[in-house]
Amino acid sequence: DQQVKQNSPSLSVQEGRISILNCDYTNSMFDYFLWYKKYPAEGPTFLISISSIKDKNEDGRFTVFLNKSAKHLSLHIVPSQPGDSAVYFCAASGGNNFNKFYFGSGTKLNVKP
Amino acid sequence: GAGVSQSPRYKVAKRGQDVALRCDPISGHVSLFWYQQALGQGPEFLTYFQNEAQLDKSGLPSDRFFAERPEGSVSTLKIQRTQQEDSAVYLCASSPKPGLAGVPGELFFGEGSRLTVL
Repeated sequence: DQQVKQNSPSLSVQEGRISILNCDYTNSMFDYFLWYKKYPAEGPTFLISISSIKDKNEDGRFTVFLNKSAKHLSLHIVPSQPGDSAVYFCAASGGNNFNKFYFGSGTKLNVKP
Repeated sequence: GAGVSQSPRYKVAKRGQDVALRCDPISGHVSLFWYQQALGQGPEFLTYFQNEAQLDKSGLPSDRFFAERPEGSVSTLKIQRTQQEDSAVYLCASSPKPGLAGVPGELFFGEGSRLTVL
């Protein structure tokens, strides 16, 4: 059973606009959430994270929001740039296993010039 | 290079063949993880090493999968009698600290080894 879900396989956004990527999770014991970015033929690279004690974390153009009651997090990219086009994975950790991340299936973002 | 290196990048195997995938982590990194990424899916945890000790192998899908890290640096993931469902990208990641203590920015992934089983 998938504990982290990204229900939108793809998203297309115009350059300069906001990109919003969503992620839902089922395990209330998760206490750390991350977003990874992946270009074709490369490994995932860390983008931004948030601890469960916060509801927002911002880093430049990237902001992650966490809604614990809804078990939902989102990644906002403002303004979106063509170089942001990639697959974005949401990941979570915590609960009774501190050695692994649970990943969503990814959302492919296409930022059109 | 300074990053996590995996080889081979691409491997085609006939069903029933044994394969070995290699991971060279970043020098000095304590933790090493293997993940399996099927087409269109996110990475799924396979196993975790802290130095040479395999502390978690709960994600290995069957006893055909075996991983080792004998000297606490290079790791090999071996798949015996490969099946078509083993076709995936196998990702290795390393971290300078035990477990996920180094998160968030200290878990570095390699480019992966793409295995295709015919």
